[in-house]
Amino acid sequence: GNSVTQMEGPVTLSEEAFLTINCTYTATGYPSLFWYVQYPGEGLQLLLKATKADDKGSNKGFEATYRKETTSFHLEKGSVQVSDSAVYFCAHLDPGGTSYGKLTFGQGTILTVHP
Amino acid sequence: DAGITQSPRHKVTETGTPVTLRCHQTENHRYMYWYRQDPGHGLRLIHYSYGVKDTDKGEVSDGYSVSRSKTEDFLLTLESATSSQTSVYFCAISDDEASEQYFGPGTRLTVT
Repeated sequence: GNSVTQMEGPVTLSEEAFLTINCTYTATGYPSLFWYVQYPGEGLQLLLKATKADDKGSNKGFEATYRKETTSFHLEKGSVQVSDSAVYFCAHLDPGGTSYGKLTFGQGTILTVHP
Repeated sequence: DAGITQSPRHKVTETGTPVTLRCHQTENHRYMYWYRQDPGHGLRLIHYSYGVKDTDKGEVSDGYSVSRSKTEDFLLTLESATSSQTSVYFCAISDDEASEQYFGPGTRLTVT
């Protein structure tokens, strides 16, 4: 079945450090891929997306590239800030089979950035 | 931000009582979804709707029912609440089943 696997957290970094959060997926078709961010006490916000192979999604200094050959969509940021502390969710939306229109989420990665 | 509200935002209820959570949108989106969020599980789909009176089950639908009598409102009912239904519930909307979903602020439900 469809699944999304994220790197285990929590991740703790110092301000201005480089961030990578790994995400891999399985799907029956060619899914759209997303990163959502959840700040404490809030709902999920769409951070970025990519809808086809080799697309790069970017927003607020975060980037992720859709890699069909490795079924991955790793999130990166060159210099994190304290305000980036949140939970990050990778997700895919599979256009094929019985999962059509349904988002499948990874388990989430907690990021804490210290000054 | 997408116009999505959820009510109540917090609720404590006793085992065996019925509970209804409401999701209201002002975006006129066709698709609406209910998820639950639990530690270590990410978000899991409970039920979804693809139009007024058109609903279907997600992966964790047991013990839950939904109704959608108007485009803007999607109700989630726990017919007889159990402690395993203690969770944070999120509503989401999208204008197309192949597009990104936008989430409401969530309802924290505690069943004692």
